[in-house]
Amino acid sequence: AQSVTQLGSHVSVSEGALVLLRCNYSSSVPPYLFWYVQYPNQGLQLLLKYTSAATLVKGINGFEAEFKKSETSSHLTKPSAHMSDAAEYFCAVTPSPGGYNKLIFGAGTRLAVHP
Amino acid sequence: EAQVTQNPRYLITVTGKKLTVTCSQNMNHEYMSWYRQDPGLGLRQIYYSMNVEVTDKGDVPEGYKVSRKEKRNFPLILESPSPNQTSLYFCATRTGGYEQYFGPGTRLTVT
Repeated sequence: AQSVTQLGSHVSVSEGALVLLRCNYSSSVPPYLFWYVQYPNQGLQLLLKYTSAATLVKGINGFEAEFKKSETSSHLTKPSAHMSDAAEYFCAVTPSPGGYNKLIFGAGTRLAVHP
Repeated sequence: EAQVTQNPRYLITVTGKKLTVTCSQNMNHEYMSWYRQDPGLGLRQIYYSMNVEVTDKGDVPEGYKVSRKEKRNFPLILESPSPNQTSLYFCATRTGGYEQYFGPGTRLTVT
């Protein structure tokens, strides 16, 4: 069964520093991979979607994600962290093959941004 | 504005008292789903619906029921809630491109 592992349940960066969040998935090529952000007391907001058409995908709020098929991993990055980026980030994939009816989520990484 | 709404947003109840969490969407999406979020576990799917009158179990369906009588609504029913159902619940819809859009969440506490 497909599984998703997010490396680091908590990540702390300084304002202006690089944000790097990591996600590993168990299938060699998940049909779709998504990064979501959850701000306190809010629902999940889609940051970006990967569909295997490219290895680098740009999302909202200055985030982008690189996909390394050989390593079955995805890295979510942002060159310069803002205080407003403090939130929890989730990686999710559709199960393969053909499992488009649900998303498999990682446990999440909570990002703290300090001055 | 395209949105998924859930009610109530917060609910405290007692063991065994039936409750319903409503979910409504205005995007005319055929697919709707319910997830629960627990610390350290991420989100896990409870039930999903491909269309009116078509529902199926997700990964953690025990103790839950759903119905889909109208395209826009997908209520989650807990007929006899137990403390292990204390959680944060999200309703979601899905586009044709498989992106899922989530409601604001319902925080349920069962004592």
